[in-house]
Amino acid sequence: KQEVTQIPAALSVPEGENLVLNCSFTDSAIYNLQWFRQDPGKGLTSLLLIQSSQREQTSGRLNASLDKSSGRSTLYIAASQPGDSATYLCAGKSSGDKLTFGTGTRLAVRP
Amino acid sequence: ETGVTQSPTHLIKTRGQQVTLRCSSQSGHNTVSWYQQALGQGPQFIFQYYREEENGRGNFPPRFSGLQFPNYSSELNVNALELDDSALYLCASSLQGRDTIYFGEGSWLTVV
Repeated sequence: KQEVTQIPAALSVPEGENLVLNCSFTDSAIYNLQWFRQDPGKGLTSLLLIQSSQREQTSGRLNASLDKSSGRSTLYIAASQPGDSATYLCAGKSSGDKLTFGTGTRLAVRP
Repeated sequence: ETGVTQSPTHLIKTRGQQVTLRCSSQSGHNTVSWYQQALGQGPQFIFQYYREEENGRGNFPPRFSGLQFPNYSSELNVNALELDDSALYLCASSLQGRDTIYFGEGSWLTVV
């Protein structure tokens, strides 16, 4: 059974800092790993998707890496901005198109 | 905008009642998944529908049931509501076999 853990649970940083969010998963037989953003009371927005055969993906100030052998993924956010404040969730896709989510990291970027 | 719409956005029900939540998937997407997200938790997979058939189910009791219609829209029904059913219910649509998935804004259910 896939279990996904995210550390830290919450993070507060001043604007401009570079930061790393961590995600670990127990079952390395995942098809892909996605990072989502969730604003308070809202749905999920997909940020980056890494296929199991890939090592990393980049989009703007975001970079996500995947290490299947160690069961870890990281989301790197460069030059953080107050608009980045949200909850970030990682999810592994296993057989049957089911996503298994972590509990998220709640990020606050202070102006 | 993801093209996935859910209704209602908020509702309050009494313990023991039944509720129906609705989801309209993005145009062309034939697969709908439902997730339950309790406060402070990550979403939990309830079930998935593909071409009007259930195509996978998470660890939820039978009182959670669903439907998918020929236009690929979907309903989530929950019978005999319990206080712990209070959560944000998210609908996601995708094309079977593809990785891109779009989530709706969710339906907030409060059971009192």
